Amino acid sequence: QKEVEQDPGPLSVPEGAIVSLNCTYSNSAFQYFMWYRQYSRKGPELLMYTYSSGNKEDGRFTAQVDKSSKYISLFIRDSQPSDSATYLCAMGDTQGGSEKLVFGKGTKLTVNP
Amino acid sequence: ETGVTQTPRHLVMGMTNKKSLKCEQHLGHNAMYWYKQSAKKPLELMFVYSLEERVENNSVPSRFSPECPNSSHLFLHLHTLQPEDSALYLCASSQDLRGRDEQFFGPGTRLTVL
Repeated sequence: QKEVEQDPGPLSVPEGAIVSLNCTYSNSAFQYFMWYRQYSRKGPELLMYTYSSGNKEDGRFTAQVDKSSKYISLFIRDSQPSDSATYLCAMGDTQGGSEKLVFGKGTKLTVNP
Repeated sequence: ETGVTQTPRHLVMGMTNKKSLKCEQHLGHNAMYWYKQSAKKPLELMFVYSLEERVENNSVPSRFSPECPNSSHLFLHLHTLQPEDSALYLCASSQDLRGRDEQFFGPGTRLTVL
């Protein structure tokens, strides 16, 4: 079983839709969970950062962590064409500890006008 | 220049060539990273540097040779590469190793090995 599983998509939605992106993981030691957004021909940029279980909201974006199910989600409300990008989940097991971050493969999202 | 910059943005090389990728960060960070991003695969961490000292080398073939002359610059020297090495090579930096969960990435170098 891979350490982090993420459906690569592609996912295509109409403008205004609610988008749900998900990752599952197997390492119960993970405590820090990130979502990166990567536009075409650009490097990833940190979008959301959450610690342990719970929800975090930032504008149209909500990150959700369910450690009991080893499942994290990113919700995008009122999606816009500018949200079209690849979304990568990432997670780590200590705060800046010696363990490396583990990334998912990324989900490619297209929001159609 | 702000953030993390990488040059060149695109590189095509033959299997016998020697080339170098350059990364520069303008954030005052102390840790820098090289990643390989291939299609349909997760980001693969290659090397980690902290204060110019290599602290991680994740089973990367010797045809990839990193160099960190100071905390702002990172190089990846390439020689006798294979076609399967074609990928996007990303550089990233963080405040320090303790802050590696918040990394800032450059735009990457798209490498094609013929």
